[in-house]
Amino acid sequence: EAQVTQNPRYLITVTGKKLTVTCSQNMNHEYMSWYRQDPGLGLRQIYYSMNVEVTDKGDVPEGYKVSRKEKRNFPLILESPSPNQTSLYFCASTLLGGVNSPLHFGNGTRLTVT
Amino acid sequence: DAKTTQPPSMDCAEGRAANLPCNHSTISGNEYVYWYRQIHSQGPQYIIHGLKNNETNEMASLIITEDRKSSTLILPHATLRDTAVYYCIVRVAVPDSNSGYALNFGKGTSLLVTP
Repeated sequence: EAQVTQNPRYLITVTGKKLTVTCSQNMNHEYMSWYRQDPGLGLRQIYYSMNVEVTDKGDVPEGYKVSRKEKRNFPLILESPSPNQTSLYFCASTLLGGVNSPLHFGNGTRLTVT
Repeated sequence: DAKTTQPPSMDCAEGRAANLPCNHSTISGNEYVYWYRQIHSQGPQYIIHGLKNNETNEMASLIITEDRKSSTLILPHATLRDTAVYYCIVRVAVPDSNSGYALNFGKGTSLLVTP
């Protein structure tokens, strides 16, 4: 089944403790992206990647890192999490170059930083 | 990307058609209309998209006005499982190296389907 898989679904951590949220897709998509969703602010893009070893900042990249060493994986790294990074995170992917390829989203990771 | 305007909420009786409007008066000639929905904090789900012709798939129909300044998403026989937030998004279809393909989801329309 074609899908975007995020792990973990829920994560509670403390300020300053490094964490990684994994994202994997099995559709051979070139493009992958991370969003965060907060009440009243909607979905905002954190980072995106157009292909392997190519990453760029989105609208809210501060405090986050990403890597794209393989086409299928796009982990989100919080080196020193802070409470303002408490949010619902979504990974998404799509093919590039075609009008009929929408964004496919994972089921989300709910992160709480205390 | 063009901005969209949607009503914040709508109700629909189960089994009836749900018609969700979207205004996009500043849409450009090469911009498509996309619809996504989000069910209770799950990942957004793609529904349908179109450029200027009406479109239909197994989930819904999309009606775009001739001047392309507005559109309507139609769920022909709404069920309780269609209760969700529906997002209308307008943008170019193919991302370039500078655009980031970020979708402006806005606040969407919260559709409540009642028994």
